[in-house]
Amino acid sequence: GAGVSQSPSNKVTEKGKDVELRCDPISGHTALYWYRQRLGQGLEFLIYFQGNSAPDKSGLPSDRFSAERTGESVSTLTIQRTQQEDSAVYLCASSLAGARNTIYFGEGSWLTVV
Amino acid sequence: GDSVTQMEGPVTLSEEAFLTINCTYTATGYPSLFWYVQYPGEGLQLLLKATKADDKGSNKGFEATYRKETTSFHLEKGSVQVSDSAVYFCALSDPAGGGFKTIFGAGTRLFVKA
Repeated sequence: GAGVSQSPSNKVTEKGKDVELRCDPISGHTALYWYRQRLGQGLEFLIYFQGNSAPDKSGLPSDRFSAERTGESVSTLTIQRTQQEDSAVYLCASSLAGARNTIYFGEGSWLTVV
Repeated sequence: GDSVTQMEGPVTLSEEAFLTINCTYTATGYPSLFWYVQYPGEGLQLLLKATKADDKGSNKGFEATYRKETTSFHLEKGSVQVSDSAVYFCALSDPAGGGFKTIFGAGTRLFVKA
């Protein structure tokens, strides 16, 4: 597609439920990133994919968080047993491989845990 | 590990004032440096970038110069407008320190008054 697409754009879920957030990167972008942005705060790195593998998972906050990517395309971020502190905007971004390339962000998935 | 430190906000200026937002970084290798901007209600987008020492990135009247000796990439604009009100994020991508992971500062919110 023309840009990075994320779904759902908004999700309200009950504490303890599992949620899946989806990201469709820009076609041809081999690098894919997930970040979290809590209200009024900066971007927190979660995980990075190069192709289908994740060389850096260091930002995942706990074992309730997991992510996968298939076909060097779509990625899914899964949060199990959601907690209220998981409420945030989850941002996906993609880029061509290489550190000097601009990364392009999606609009984000707003998650509210009640 | 790699990190980005930027001045805390919010920064409040009158229209046509001079803007500086400080950014310093720590990196293992030779990073590329970026400024991203998040306008109210919109997604993050690239404002400007520089990929080697002494390069100057510029866009929309904003400038930033890659200073390796001071590990800095300060954002400047000679005359701000109300439409520049946004959150500005300094970022780096370091192939030595973390693959192609882009690391962001905490963001600086700018308010410009008419």
